[in-house]
This record gives sequence, structure tokens and C-alpha cells, in this order.
Amino acid sequence: GAVVSQHPSRVICKSGTSVKIECRSLDFQATTMFWYRQFPKKSLMLMATSNEGSKATYEQGVEKDKFLINHASLTLSTLTVTSAHPEDSSFYICSARVLDREVYGYTFGSGTRLTVV
Amino acid sequence: GQSLEQPSEVTAVEGAIVQINCTYQTSGFYGLSWYQQHDGGAPTFLSYNALDGLEETGRFSSFLSRSDSYGYLLLQELQMKDSASYFCAAHNDYKLSFGAGTTVTVRA
Repeated sequence: GAVVSQHPSRVICKSGTSVKIECRSLDFQATTMFWYRQFPKKSLMLMATSNEGSKATYEQGVEKDKFLINHASLTLSTLTVTSAHPEDSSFYICSARVLDREVYGYTFGSGTRLTVV
Repeated sequence: GQSLEQPSEVTAVEGAIVQINCTYQTSGFYGLSWYQQHDGGAPTFLSYNALDGLEETGRFSSFLSRSDSYGYLLLQELQMKDSASYFCAAHNDYKLSFGAGTTVTVRA
């Protein structure tokens, strides 16, 4: 089946630094990827939709200059948290949309636990 | 906007049956999925309904009624490993919108 690999699984960074999270589709081409943020015991909140070769579409309230998304190839999307602050600490998950027998399904990466100190 | 409502938590004993309800209000709706997530892990796909009716996948079944904007996930023969969070997710406008999640705790 479709597999999405997300790295790193955990990262600790200092306030003010930037962190890049990678999401790769291993055995399929992902024209569209999604980035979610999840706080403990809470739901997955969609941050942005990333389309290969074009600008990402951000959800309302998400700062595009803070959360930079790049989808330069059909197998790689990256999320960069710029000038990270402790309030950016969260679980970030990517997802790719996959067309399977005329139905769109979604496969998820394993998530990245970001801690900003 | 999109809105999905599901209970926050459910507790049951091993071997029991649990039903998690989900009501939704969303534009461009074309299907309802269910995902399981263990602490610290990624969501894993359980079931998908595009049409009204029941879909059965082993111990888990999912139901959808489009006219009632309602669906449910049925967990049968509960096992300890089923303790997790369960999310309903609406497929709309070619993306997923998630409910707040239901924490299922299975007791011996």
C-alpha cells in the first residue's frame, strides 16, 4: 500500500531557530499533501494543503511566513517552522492523498514531535 | 465551515461492544472515514463510507446515513489493544476534516 515516510520523528530545538520536517511518499507520487498539527488529546487541525509545483494553500489563522511549505517534487513535501517558539511545540503530521479504485484515500506519516525550549 | 461532533470518551470492558457516533455539518461532503490513533502515533485508517449503510471490516463496522448527516463506528469483541482515540473525518472539497476524537478505554 501507499506509504508516507516522515522525518524526524522527534526534534528539540532552541527558541528562535528553524526546524524542517520532511514528508516523502515512498511508492507513489503524491500531487497533494496535507500538513496537520495536533495538541495533546486534541483533534488534527489542518494547517495547509501542499500541491506539487505550486504555492501551498493555508487554512485560516495559519501564518504562512511562520510555517513554510515546499512541495518541489511529486515525492517530497517539507514543512519548515521558522523562528520557533515554545508555543509551536506540538505534534505535526503529514498526509498524502491517494486515488485507489476511484476513491480518494489518505495515508499519514508517523508524525514529528516538536519541542521548542 | 466544517463541524463534526463525537463523544469525548467511552469506557468498556473486554469483549464488549462500543458504538461511537458522529454527526457532521460540512459542505461538499462525499464520504466519512474513521481513524484510530494510539498515543504518540499516527492515525491509521479503519473504515470509509461513501454511501448509506453498513460497512463491515472484521471486528469494526461503520455506518453512514447521509440524510441524517450521521455515522457511527462499531467496535465489537473489544480487546485491550483497542484502547486508543478514534476520529471520524469528513471527506469534503478533496480534503479531510476531523472530529475532536473519542478516547476509548478498555478495561479487563
